Amino acid sequence: GQQVMQIPQYQHVQEGEDFTTYCNSSTTLSNIQWYKQRPGGHPVFLIQLVKSGEVKKQKRLTFQFGEAKKNSSLHITATQTTDVGTYFCAGQTGANNLFFGTGTRLTVIP
Amino acid sequence: SQTIHQWPATLVQPVGSPLSLECTVEGTSNPNLYWYRQAAGRGLQLLFYSVGIGQISSEVPQNLSASRPQDRQFILSSKKLLLSDSGFYLCAISGEYNSPLHFGNGTRLTVT
Repeated sequence: GQQVMQIPQYQHVQEGEDFTTYCNSSTTLSNIQWYKQRPGGHPVFLIQLVKSGEVKKQKRLTFQFGEAKKNSSLHITATQTTDVGTYFCAGQTGANNLFFGTGTRLTVIP
Repeated sequence: SQTIHQWPATLVQPVGSPLSLECTVEGTSNPNLYWYRQAAGRGLQLLFYSVGIGQISSEVPQNLSASRPQDRQFILSSKKLLLSDSGFYLCAISGEYNSPLHFGNGTRLTVT
């Protein structure tokens, strides 16, 4: 079955350092979505990538979709304490449901 | 805008007791509805989804069931809870194909 692997599982960074999480799928995806879950909260949709090689930016966040549409990354520049949380990627193939990655829990040390 | 109501926020239930979690949606019609479970510190596991009234698809065999008696109402149930049913239960909605998920605030269930 479809699997979406995400690394690292945990990441601790000093405030101001950069952070990257990677997502890899065993199958080609029609689209990939990214979500953020603050501690104690529910996942919140961040962005969706559809095109091969697509790059999108949201302020300090940069999202990339691989050329083969099997991998994706989220990069945060100059992390802030407000970036704390777990970041999930979620891939979709065709008309099937989303498969969520295992998530990367980010801790930012002030 | 669409709103997801999920209650209760927290719940402590003994093993073997029944469960009923309700999710209602406002501001949209004919949404796709989902129940996810998240174990402590883990990822999101899709339990059930529904594309319409009375239409339920199960992703994982378990002692849980779901029903959709109305267009904007989605219910998660169990006749007898197990310790392994503990977790964070999230209701989510989406629109048409490929649209993102919007989650409710969730219910934290502890089975003791």
